[in-house]
Amino acid sequence: KNQVEQSPQSLIILEGKNCTLQCNYTVSPFSNLRWYKQDTGRGPVSLTIMTFSENTKSNGRYTATLDADTKQSSLHITASQLSDSASYICVVGESTFGDGTTLTVKP
Amino acid sequence: GAGVSQSPSNKVTEKGKDVELRCDPISGHTALYWYRQSLGQGLEFLIYFQGNSAPDKSGLPSDRFSAERTGGSVSTLTIQRTQQEDSAVYLCASVYRGAAFFGQGTRLTVV
Repeated sequence: KNQVEQSPQSLIILEGKNCTLQCNYTVSPFSNLRWYKQDTGRGPVSLTIMTFSENTKSNGRYTATLDADTKQSSLHITASQLSDSASYICVVGESTFGDGTTLTVKP
Repeated sequence: GAGVSQSPSNKVTEKGKDVELRCDPISGHTALYWYRQSLGQGLEFLIYFQGNSAPDKSGLPSDRFSAERTGGSVSTLTIQRTQQEDSAVYLCASVYRGAAFFGQGTRLTVV
């Protein structure tokens, strides 16, 4: 069964700190992996998209990694800001979603 | 338009009524998806349209749910005889070259 598992379920960090969110998947065949940020009450916004041959991609303070051998991805957020408080969703392909990690950044 | 537009943004309906949700994708995007996000839950795939191909309806939870895409552009998701468990945010996304662009969603509340 195709699945995407994200950890942790929720995370609280202080402003300015770094954090890493994890995504493990068992999806086959693999096409691409995307990370989305979803603010409360808003639709998801794409942060990064990686294909099988890519192992890292950055978007500002967000850096995603992909290990296709172990079927793991991570999203690293550097120098967190209060506006980073949101749910972060890992998606493999077009229809297999993780449940998301809820990040809260506190001053 | 500049992005994916969904309407209405909020809909409250009585149990047993039919509702119709609309999605205007980004012009030129041939792929369109409908998803459902229940309170505190992850995104659930519902249906996928790609060009003129037959839609992938594998995610529709029951035969009360149906969707159409007219002229390869605007899509409507129809829920017949709504139930309370249908209450959720319904999100539409149009896709171009692997990148999905989401609308703001329609928040459906069945009372």
